Amino acid sequence: TQLLEQSPQFLSIQEGENLTVYCNSSSVFSSLQWYRQEPGEGPVLLVTVVTGGEVKKLKRLTFQFGDARKDSSLHITAAQPGDTGLYLCAGAYMRFGAGTRLTVKP
Amino acid sequence: KAGVTQTPRYLIKTRGQQVTLSCSPISGHRSVSWYQQTPGQGLQFLFEYFSETQRNKGNFPGRFSGRQFSNSRSEMNVSTLELGDSALYLCASSLLDGGNSPLHFGNGTRLTVT
Repeated sequence: TQLLEQSPQFLSIQEGENLTVYCNSSSVFSSLQWYRQEPGEGPVLLVTVVTGGEVKKLKRLTFQFGDARKDSSLHITAAQPGDTGLYLCAGAYMRFGAGTRLTVKP
Repeated sequence: KAGVTQTPRYLIKTRGQQVTLSCSPISGHRSVSWYQQTPGQGLQFLFEYFSETQRNKGNFPGRFSGRQFSNSRSEMNVSTLELGDSALYLCASSLLDGGNSPLHFGNGTRLTVT
């Protein structure tokens, strides 16, 4: 079983701050996905990273896949209240990390 | 394009009963996977169906079962409900099977067992 560990588990910040959340594993992944889940809804795919060292940007969100394809990070610049949610990373065969619950206060 | 539809949205059952949840995938998607989400355990994989065949299975007891129909719609059944089965049950569809295809989730069925 490929275990994914996400950190931190909880994060509460003020609007305008920057933050980084992490997704780590001892296993190598062929690809890794990031999802965001808002209360009362299912997770929504943000990005898929495939190549080691790959960096993808989605507006204020920057995703990086580690060179060894064992870890990934999500950096949010100038966080906004609309970024509030549960951020989940997922590896192959539907294995998810426990998530980082982000709260951005106005 | 219509998204993934799960019914019912909310369900209250008592211990010992059984329940059936339904999931309609995005048109053209042949893979449907099911997940249990609880505050303590996070999002846990139950099983995946592709073209009516169960392809992968998570670590859940045999009380949890599923099936997929020829139109790709899927149902999940939980028999002899226990209090610990209270959770949000999510289904997701994807174009391909396996684990690397992006998942499109429904909004879930919230099951409460009393």
